[in-house]
Amino acid sequence: DARVTQTPRHKVTEMGQEVTMRCQPILGHNTVFWYRQTMMQGLELLAYFRNRAPLDDSGMPKDRFSAEMPDATLATLKIQPSEPRDSAVYFCASALRGDGELFFGEGSRLTVL
Amino acid sequence: GEDVEQSLFLSVREGDSSVINCTYTDSSSTYLYWYKQEPGAGLQLLTYIFSNMDMKQDQRLTVLLNKKDKHLSLRIADTQTGDSAIYFCAETFSNTGKLIFGQGTTLQVKP
Repeated sequence: DARVTQTPRHKVTEMGQEVTMRCQPILGHNTVFWYRQTMMQGLELLAYFRNRAPLDDSGMPKDRFSAEMPDATLATLKIQPSEPRDSAVYFCASALRGDGELFFGEGSRLTVL
Repeated sequence: GEDVEQSLFLSVREGDSSVINCTYTDSSSTYLYWYKQEPGAGLQLLTYIFSNMDMKQDQRLTVLLNKKDKHLSLRIADTQTGDSAIYFCAETFSNTGKLIFGQGTTLQVKP
């Protein structure tokens, strides 16, 4: 069945290391979102793309985070260098239309020691 | 600014009704949404309402929209233990198309 696939599901790394999270949106969906979820901040929108073009990445710390869509089947979120405060669950979601019906992946839980 | 607010926690007994409340900021939002997140999973769309509607009912779920006060609520009738989850209110911003979520309300259903 069609679903958003995220890898890795869990990642533990040390401060300063590079982390790359990947997302495969549902085939045919043209909008991809990256969200970060923490207990303190809730669900924060980091960036989103439509037809592979970045529309808004204002929620993302630009000095260490980058988001790309190399092709329509892959979205990446990279953190370099990682810091303990980046520990969170990172969700990717895709949408077919711009009406807010998002389909979420199961998330990538990142722990930075 | 872009802000969607919800209370953080609600506890009810099985069989009672649950009402989760939300306030939003963009009066031009076309749609308003309720998403549900079960433990260890991503969010799933539960229901949504068009901004030109006051109420929408879907089985045990009733959504009420008060545009004047920018207030949205989700009522779950005959709440079951399987309804225990985090419920997120969300709105789309018409000028950007992005979806902004509230902090989420944790619903605890006691047997």
